[in-house]
Amino acid sequence: NAGVTQTPKFRILKIGQSMTLQCAQDMNHNYMYWYRQDPGMGLKLIYYSVGAGITDKGEVPNGYNVSRSTTEDFPLRLELAAPSQTSVYFCASSYSPGVPNNEQFFGPGTRLTVL
Amino acid sequence: QQQVKQSPQSLIVQKGGISIINCAYENTAFDYFPWYQQFPGKGPALLIAIRPDVSEKKEGRFTISFNKSAKQFSLHIMDSQPGDSATYFCAASVSGSARQLTFGSGTQLTVLP
Repeated sequence: NAGVTQTPKFRILKIGQSMTLQCAQDMNHNYMYWYRQDPGMGLKLIYYSVGAGITDKGEVPNGYNVSRSTTEDFPLRLELAAPSQTSVYFCASSYSPGVPNNEQFFGPGTRLTVL
Repeated sequence: QQQVKQSPQSLIVQKGGISIINCAYENTAFDYFPWYQQFPGKGPALLIAIRPDVSEKKEGRFTISFNKSAKQFSLHIMDSQPGDSATYFCAASVSGSARQLTFGSGTQLTVLP
């Protein structure tokens, strides 16, 4: 299994441009998450999904959109990039409820710079 | 509002020493407390986790101590090794709500050879 994969690894955007960060998992996990990691700030939850067709906002959703059309894929969309969105983005997935310890598995991250 | 406070921000330990990282939380509904380890250029990975019905959990050289009344928990790394040099995050979550994790701000650990 590849686990959680993310593309691209790096990207530079100009202010106002749009892009989609891709995330896929092959573990048949129900739950998927998007986080951003800023220096000294830990990880902040942007959006999450509990299954195909179901998404919800996390702590810092402004400026982002998500969709979940399949169990495997959970893309994150930035519509009008702003310098404040410069960050490292991590996608994660975890198993379905009922499992006592719902470990989240993280992808390798996408480093995004907005200039 | 930060719900999980982590300290110290950075920690330097000699090889063979004990590394201690502390976290405090505010939300008494939290019922799962994992620690994640992150190496440069990689995503975080689960290291060890505890539930509030026990006061301590040990896995190899890594131990979580949990104090429910003080709303604090800590990670102890015994016999610290240079390979332990990484960033460590504490986190907490509540049953339901898709097990959303609230992370601490991270501790960068350096173990000197």
